[in-house]
Amino acid sequence: EAQVTQNPRYLITVTGKKLTVTCSQNMNHEYMSWYRQDPGLGLRQIYYSMNVEVTDKGDVPEGYKVSRKEKRNFPLILESPSPNQTSLYFCASSLNVEGQGSTGELFFGEGSRLTVL
Amino acid sequence: GQQVMQIPQYQHVQEGEDFTTYCNSSTTLSNIQWYKQRPGGHPVFLIQLVKSGEVKKQKRLTFQFGEAKKNSSLHITATQTTDVGTYFCEGGSYIPTFGRGTSLIVHP
Repeated sequence: EAQVTQNPRYLITVTGKKLTVTCSQNMNHEYMSWYRQDPGLGLRQIYYSMNVEVTDKGDVPEGYKVSRKEKRNFPLILESPSPNQTSLYFCASSLNVEGQGSTGELFFGEGSRLTVL
Repeated sequence: GQQVMQIPQYQHVQEGEDFTTYCNSSTTLSNIQWYKQRPGGHPVFLIQLVKSGEVKKQKRLTFQFGEAKKNSSLHITATQTTDVGTYFCEGGSYIPTFGRGTSLIVHP
């Protein structure tokens, strides 16, 4: 079954304690992306990756890091979480045809709800 | 950079009434996608529009792409409680850009 898997689904942590949210897809997609969703603000892109070893900042990258060492995985790293990073996070993936970017249908993971105290 | 504006932010309807959400882009889009997110769920792809003036239907849902490829709409005829959720448009270009979504609340 084609899917994007995120872990953990729920996490409560404290300020400053490094954490990683994993994301894995089994569709051989080149394009992967992280979004955060906050009430009234929709989906805001944090980072994206066009392919292995190619990552770039989205609209709200501050406080986050990513890596893309292999095609299927795109972890989101919060080196020193702060309360303003409390949010619902989604990983998504899609095809990237001939370097033209996302071709349309984004497949989303089920989300990771993070609370930073 | 590219911006995609979506209105309204919320829409309350009585079951059986129609519903429409609109998206407008500051730039010409190569394509546009629509997603639905049920309460507590994740966005799920509904449809993609590519051609200028394109109209596509899925049962009670009608999707339109403007002639200039800068605006789009989603219309639901005779809403049902199963239509509850947030509908997002996403402007397809090199980097996907989402509208803020329209939350549809259907009152039985």
